[in-house]
Amino acid sequence: KAGVTQTPRYLIKTRGQQVTLSCSPISGHRSVSWYQQTPGQGLQFLFEYFSETQRNKGNFPGRFSGRQFSNSRSEMNVSTLELGDSALYLCASSLRGQGINEQYFGPGTRLTVT
Amino acid sequence: GQSLEQPSEVTAVEGAIVQINCTYQTSGFYGLSWYQQHDGGAPTFLSYNGLDGLEETGRFSSFLSRSDSYGYLLLQELQMKDSASYFCAVPSGNTPLVFGKGTRLSVIA
Repeated sequence: KAGVTQTPRYLIKTRGQQVTLSCSPISGHRSVSWYQQTPGQGLQFLFEYFSETQRNKGNFPGRFSGRQFSNSRSEMNVSTLELGDSALYLCASSLRGQGINEQYFGPGTRLTVT
Repeated sequence: GQSLEQPSEVTAVEGAIVQINCTYQTSGFYGLSWYQQHDGGAPTFLSYNGLDGLEETGRFSSFLSRSDSYGYLLLQELQMKDSASYFCAVPSGNTPLVFGKGTRLSVIA
């Protein structure tokens, strides 16, 4: 089976712009979760989608949003970018989510905001 | 809320054994997982403990004591390729996984 893929792998944006990141889960996986990883805060949960519905949301401002399509592919969007949004954005897929099942992570998108 | 504590750094010699501890505080407990992440790579799943005791997978073992809110990852016969960051993680009520800050393991010759 192909693994989790994320596009783009690297992105440079300026403050105030918006960005859309894409994640394709492993075939058959219906849960997609997004995480932000920074050196200071570590891995922080953004949101989880299951069967096109946002099931859980972390403690991030409304500038962070996402969606999931019928083929389980997911996108996340960050509007009005701030310097502090520079991070590695990881998506993870699993069969049913909830964290008990093994989560398979993609390689991440490295976002740099200047 | 939930929080996990693990050492920030550990150094060990090639061929030796190293233990990485994790203590957690959660509202509700659904098991403890461990993930490995090499520099520039994605986290990869190592193990999951839902019940007390030891789970062994090759050179890696993971232990859980629910009464002590404590677990550890044991790496045996350390190899240079084991140099990476190791994260303990727990599911919570509204989050698939809450991660510890990670332990950076350096294996030296």
